[in-house]
Amino acid sequence: QVHLVESGGGVVQPGRSLRLSCAVSGFTFSTYGMHWVRQAPGKGLEWVAVIWSDGSNKNYADSVKGRFTISRDNSKNTLYVQMNSLRAEDTAVYYCARGIAYHYYVMDVWGQGTTVTVSS
Amino acid sequence: QSALTQPPSASGSPGQSVTISCTGTSSDVGGYNYVSWYQQHPGKAPKLMIYEVTKRTSGVPDRFSGSKSGNTASLTVSGLQAEDEADYYCSSYAGSNNYVFGGGTKLTVL
Repeated sequence: QVHLVESGGGVVQPGRSLRLSCAVSGFTFSTYGMHWVRQAPGKGLEWVAVIWSDGSNKNYADSVKGRFTISRDNSKNTLYVQMNSLRAEDTAVYYCARGIAYHYYVMDVWGQGTTVTVSS
Repeated sequence: QSALTQPPSASGSPGQSVTISCTGTSSDVGGYNYVSWYQQHPGKAPKLMIYEVTKRTSGVPDRFSGSKSGNTASLTVSGLQAEDEADYYCSSYAGSNNYVFGGGTKLTVL
């Protein structure tokens, strides 16, 4: 089966950094684009970042541009997001999702999420 | 990157039909047939239901259908069942490798 497992969440002070990981199994990771999507407590889904299958192309939501960096290691079947200069408004459950179809716009498989809390 | 507009809530009795709208702009919903719908039960990860406006993903009952007119996409759930009670989110490709979600609609089965 296809599995995506996020890890790395926790409580962090404003201004600090955190790196999330998403370990995948059950499919050929290197042939799929990948996304990070977040959900603040009681709120809706917010797209965060996308990375192409070979890592050649990346893009970010305006809310995280310049602070977050998405990356992947296809040899380790793992997706990452490095989150710097964290703010209270970054508090959310962070999901990784597999992207398919045109520019990977369809997020067809999701992980269970990892919770990030930014608080002093 | 403004969120797509969805009604906060929708409801219907078992067996009835309900339609959830998702309004964007010509830069996203209206500009591409790349609209998806996701179902999310409390405490769970989102689940893909519909993609490319009208296509159901494997295992999704044909009670779920999608459509689009202009800048507004819609999800219709026919023959409502108790297990359909969940939050529903639309999403659209928005050009230049940007993606946008709707604010979500809480569907209640009365």
